[in-house]
Amino acid sequence: GQSLEQPSEVTAVEGAIVQINCTYQTSGFYGLSWYQQHDGGAPTFLSYNALDGLEETGRFSSFLSRSDSYGYLLLQELQMKDSASYFCALMNSGYSTLTFGKGTMLLVSP
Amino acid sequence: EADIYQTPRYLVIGTGKKITLECSQTMGHDKMYWYQQDPGMELHLIHYSYGVNSTEKGDLSSESTVSRIRTEHFPLTLESARPSHTSQYLCASSRAYNEQFFGPGTRLTVL
Repeated sequence: GQSLEQPSEVTAVEGAIVQINCTYQTSGFYGLSWYQQHDGGAPTFLSYNALDGLEETGRFSSFLSRSDSYGYLLLQELQMKDSASYFCALMNSGYSTLTFGKGTMLLVSP
Repeated sequence: EADIYQTPRYLVIGTGKKITLECSQTMGHDKMYWYQQDPGMELHLIHYSYGVNSTEKGDLSSESTVSRIRTEHFPLTLESARPSHTSQYLCASSRAYNEQFFGPGTRLTVL
C-alpha cells in the first residue's frame, strides 16, 4: 500500500515563507501532487512533480526527491488567504488515481 | 475555470433511505472520481471511472455504487443509508493524469 505523512498544522505570519513537508512510502508512483482546500471548499490543484527537483508556479513551489521519499510545498510572501489545508497526494502507477495525505492546516496571522 | 457540479449540496436523510448523489462535468473529461472526506481528514477514493461503461472501486470500502452511462455524468447511489455514511462526498474529473478538478461536494447527514 501507500502512505503519506504531513505535519497536522503549521503557523506563520503574513509575508513570511513556509515549507510544508511530505514523506511517503510506496512501491511505485508517477508523481507527487499538492492540493489546497479552504474550509468548506473544494480541493484545488496547486502543483505536480513527476521528476526530482523544484517546480515553481508563482508564489508556490514544490519539490520532490524520490531517493529520499520526500517532497515539500513552499509558499512565499504569505497572505491571509493562504490559510487553508494543504494535501500532498501520490499519483499511483497504472491507474491515474491519487492517494492523499491527511493534510496540513496552515494558519496565517497578521 | 473548472465546470463540475454536484447536487444536492446538503442532504439530511433518515436511515434506510435510498439516495443518489449527482455529479456532472462539462469539460469532456474521460476520468471521473468519487471521494469521501470527513471533517479535517484526508480524501479517500471510493470509486473511479476511465470512461463510459467503466467503473472501479477505490481504496476505501464503500457500500455505494456508481454508473457511467454518459461521459459527463457520474452519479453515486447508496441503496440504504446508515449513520456511518455521514460525510462529505466530493466528485472530481480529469483529462491529464496530473490534475483533478473537484466539485463543491455534497454534505450528507444520515439520522
